[in-house]
Amino acid sequence: KAGVTQTPRYLIKTRGQQVTLSCSPISGHRSVSWYQQTPGQGLQFLFEYFSETQRNKGNFPGRFSGRQFSNSRSEMNVSTLELGDSALYLCASSLTGTSGDTQYFGPGTRLTVL
Amino acid sequence: DAKTTQPNSMESNEEEPVHLPCNHSTISGTDYIHWYRQLPSQGPEYVIHGLTSNVNNRMASLAIAEDRKSSTLILHRATLRDAAVYYCILRDMESRSTLGRLYFGRGTQLTVWP
Repeated sequence: KAGVTQTPRYLIKTRGQQVTLSCSPISGHRSVSWYQQTPGQGLQFLFEYFSETQRNKGNFPGRFSGRQFSNSRSEMNVSTLELGDSALYLCASSLTGTSGDTQYFGPGTRLTVL
Repeated sequence: DAKTTQPNSMESNEEEPVHLPCNHSTISGTDYIHWYRQLPSQGPEYVIHGLTSNVNNRMASLAIAEDRKSSTLILHRATLRDAAVYYCILRDMESRSTLGRLYFGRGTQLTVWP
């Protein structure tokens, strides 16, 4: 079974631009979660989607948004990029997203904002 | 969600057993105990999880204290590939706040010496 894939793997943007990251979950998984990882803050939860609906959201500004498609693929968008948005963005998928479920992570997208 | 406390770092020699401790004194009866690890330049990966009883899988064993206020992840024979940051995470099965969400702390950096 193919794992979680994320595209692109690396991105360089400038302040003020916007960016869209893509995540393809493991086949059959309906829950997709997004995390931001930085050296200073560690791994922080952005949001989770299940069956095209956002069920859970972390404490990030509205510049961070996401969506999920009917095939469970998900995208996240960051508008008006700031230097502090430079980070590794990780996507994880699971069957249901519930607490006994296992999350499977992709390799991440490394975003650099100049 | 209940918090966990882990040592910042631990060291081991190759082929020796490793016991990674985690304290969770405020754990509730509905909290699952999950362990994930993150190898360098990769996304986190699931290791093991349990609720009340000790658990074994091909990667590791999870020993849960009788009062559930602490747990220990056991790697039976450490290899160089086990060098990673190990995260102990609680997930409340009755809380909507854990839907699709893992609360990552700082984890334990495990160094394995050849």
